[in-house]
Amino acid sequence: DAGVIQSPRHEVTEMGQEVTLRCKPISGHNSLFWYRQTMMRGLELLIYFNNNVPIDDSGMPEDRFSAKMPNASFSTLKIQPSEPRDSAVYFCASSPTGPNYGYTFGSGTRLTVV
Amino acid sequence: GEDVEQSLFLSVREGDSSVINCTYTDSSSTYLYWYKQEPGAGLQLLTYIFSNMDMKQDQRLTVLLNKKDKHLSLRIADTQTGDSAIYFCAERRYNFNKFYFGSGTKLNVKP
Repeated sequence: DAGVIQSPRHEVTEMGQEVTLRCKPISGHNSLFWYRQTMMRGLELLIYFNNNVPIDDSGMPEDRFSAKMPNASFSTLKIQPSEPRDSAVYFCASSPTGPNYGYTFGSGTRLTVV
Repeated sequence: GEDVEQSLFLSVREGDSSVINCTYTDSSSTYLYWYKQEPGAGLQLLTYIFSNMDMKQDQRLTVLLNKKDKHLSLRIADTQTGDSAIYFCAERRYNFNKFYFGSGTKLNVKP
């Protein structure tokens, strides 16, 4: 089991550009979560999916952010257009459904928008 | 309130015990978790406790749960320099699939 796989590990982009972050959850996990981590705000849940369906996107900061999960093995988080305040580490996590399961986190994507 | 609260920093000497505290919000939370984050890495699940338990021990880790006060603690015995990291507590509220994380406690272990 390779764990939750995120790509890229690092992304540096210019303000105004589109950024796409990718996540492959653990096979068999039917819940997927996108988090953002900054020094100022800590860990913020952006959106989560259950069985590929978005359940709660109340944490998505604004319309510039969108997330998709076209199938059980892949999800994307897109920022268009990107802004310097989007600079953060973005984590993807997956979990089986059920209250006694913890999340398994990926290694994160460090995004820097200049 | 909505927040899971933790103190931000803890500094201990190698070999001492560390106790990291957390106050959560929902008395109906079913499971409570401790995660560890090393520099440049994702969060790693350390341990969890079901809400009908008072204590759980796993090698050097002891989790204590006080449901009345909604207080959770993580004790690390014989703390090592490799334990230096940020520790997050999280609660999984009843009937919700999402976790609520604290702000994290940065543990610094001095040789």
